[in-house]
Amino acid sequence: DAKTTQPTSMDCAEGRAANLPCNHSTISGNEYVYWYRQIHSQGPQYIIHGLKNNETNEMASLIITEDRKSSTLILPHATLRDTAVYYCIVRVEGAGSYQLTFGKGTKLSVIP
Amino acid sequence: DAGVIQSPRHEVTEMGQEVTLRCKPISGHNSLFWYRQTMMRGLELLIYFNNNVPIDDSGMPEDRFSAKMPNASFSTLKIQPSEPRDSAVYFCASMPGTTDTQYFGPGTRLTVL
Repeated sequence: DAKTTQPTSMDCAEGRAANLPCNHSTISGNEYVYWYRQIHSQGPQYIIHGLKNNETNEMASLIITEDRKSSTLILPHATLRDTAVYYCIVRVEGAGSYQLTFGKGTKLSVIP
Repeated sequence: DAGVIQSPRHEVTEMGQEVTLRCKPISGHNSLFWYRQTMMRGLELLIYFNNNVPIDDSGMPEDRFSAKMPNASFSTLKIQPSEPRDSAVYFCASMPGTTDTQYFGPGTRLTVL
């Protein structure tokens, strides 16, 4: 699976959009971008994933650049409960693929 | 749905004792994973089951660790004998056959004194 690079930490004001970047310059054509987060003392939680088109769900939006070498997770209106470590993971889907390789992630602090 | 259930949530034991962690996956999910998380090493996959069969146990640290899945609704991770370096949070996750999304339990915080 391709390696990802994320900033170690970020701050965001409550109510503002949180934009979390991820670089994955060695991504292959069949690799998806997944985002999970881990709130303190809880298990990781799936947020969103995509291949090349932008994706949106009730939690967040995922913007993937046209060359697919980077992506941005957007939390449109951050709340204090969004304070967590956010992991960007690149992996192949299906065909027996199951590995989720968690890096160090980005620690997002939402400030009141 | 109750989500993935793990027990106990906290376990404190002494070195040399046997420890058994338990997991109930989400009903209908056919894949189950055990992870370990420490400050030093982050989240590591220990073992992966598909349809109750262990597929990949390459992450199991050593023979002191063993995992079983006797049926689709229950799995155990056993450490015998336990050592202080086994202290960590152990997560169980399950995955449906229809997507590659893994759903994690709340974890068991293990402390070996």
